[in-house]
Amino acid sequence: DIQMTQSPTTLSASIGDRVRITCRAGQSIGDSLAWYQQKPGKAPKLLIHKASSLEGGVPSRFSGSGSGTEFTLTISSLQPDDFATYYCQQYSSHSHRTFGQGTKVEI
Amino acid sequence: EVKLVESGGGLVKPGGSLRLSCAASGFTFSTYSMSWVRQAPGKGLEWVSSITSSGLYMYYADSMKGRITISRDNAKNSLYLQMHSLRAEDTAVYYCAGEICSSVTCHPFDRWGEGARVAVSS
Repeated sequence: DIQMTQSPTTLSASIGDRVRITCRAGQSIGDSLAWYQQKPGKAPKLLIHKASSLEGGVPSRFSGSGSGTEFTLTISSLQPDDFATYYCQQYSSHSHRTFGQGTKVEI
Repeated sequence: EVKLVESGGGLVKPGGSLRLSCAASGFTFSTYSMSWVRQAPGKGLEWVSSITSSGLYMYYADSMKGRITISRDNAKNSLYLQMHSLRAEDTAVYYCAGEICSSVTCHPFDRWGEGARVAVSS
């Protein structure tokens, strides 16, 4: 199975801050990397697919980059609605999907 | 409106069985690969199982392999997860999620249900 490692586990930030979350894959996954946002008690929401492609309706302050084994989710200017937990996920392997352990963005 | 609605969750004793269902509407269910993803209390997301759009291929996480069976009925727009020999560590919210796949790649989980709570306790 492909392991996914996110860092940091928790991130303290303020409104307007630029925020970066890193995700590392245990082997090359090309650009088969997605980012999700989850708020307490809610289902995850897909933000980015194919490492850097923004889903429709997702604010442009969110961006993704990377390929192979190293990926980054960037929020250019943190807004109140962005306080949540973020997960990366690989979908390179058709037989197994793997999520990172999550990064909680808090004040 | 795209909707996935899980049902069948509840409290079950260790060693017991449970069958989760997921009813889909608002999209062409038969073209989507479907998965179950779970989240234990206060923990992260864990992929559990997937089934291809045709139902021909099924995949399972090692943590539950041998104790679960995923299936679907495209005529009923429904996804199922039969779980046996449940353990306390299987306590979680179980989400159904859909992705569309070609022979080359997939567009990841862009549709999710609200989850079904499963509690395994004596």
